[in-house]
Amino acid sequence: DAKTTQPPSMDCAEGRAANLPCNHSTISGNEYVYWYRQIHSQGPQYIIHGLKNNETNEMASLIITEDRKSSTLILPHATLRDTAVYYCIVRVTTGANSKLTFGKGITLSVRP
Amino acid sequence: NAGVMQNPRHLVRRRGQEARLRCSPMKGHSHVYWYRQLPEEGLKFMVYLQKENIIDESGMPKERFSAEFPKEGPSILRIQQVVRGDSAAYFCASSPPNRGGIYNEQFFGPGTRLTVL
Repeated sequence: DAKTTQPPSMDCAEGRAANLPCNHSTISGNEYVYWYRQIHSQGPQYIIHGLKNNETNEMASLIITEDRKSSTLILPHATLRDTAVYYCIVRVTTGANSKLTFGKGITLSVRP
Repeated sequence: NAGVMQNPRHLVRRRGQEARLRCSPMKGHSHVYWYRQLPEEGLKFMVYLQKENIIDESGMPKERFSAEFPKEGPSILRIQQVVRGDSAAYFCASSPPNRGGIYNEQFFGPGTRLTVL
């Protein structure tokens, strides 16, 4: 699986959009980008995933650059409950379930 | 539909004792994964099981650790002769059967915090 690089931390104001970057310059054509988050002491939570098109669901939007070497997770209206560690993971999806490889992630702090 | 359940939530053991961690996957899920999170560190994959089969155990320590997912009942992660370095949060995740190329997200449980005295 391709390696990802994320800044260690960032903060944003409550109610504003949080844009979390991720670099994955060695991504292969058949690898997807996934985002999970871990709120303090809880189990990780799936957020969103994509291959090359932008994706949106009820939690967030995922913007993947045209060359697929980087992506941005967008939380449109961050709340205090969004304070968490966010993990960007790149992996192959062949239909077979397989492990997730977590890096250090980015710690998002939402301030009042 | 209840989520992934893990018990106990907290477990205290003395060095040399055995620890048994249980994971009940979500209803209809036949794939189970175990991850370990050491203090101040990231999550590390340990083992991936389907019913009665170990699919990938590349993250399991070679000694003292074992996992099973029987036909009936929860998945069990067993740690024999625990040492202080085993103190960590152990998370279980589950996913449904393969759906022909569609990614199946992993749903995580709340974790078991193991403390070895």
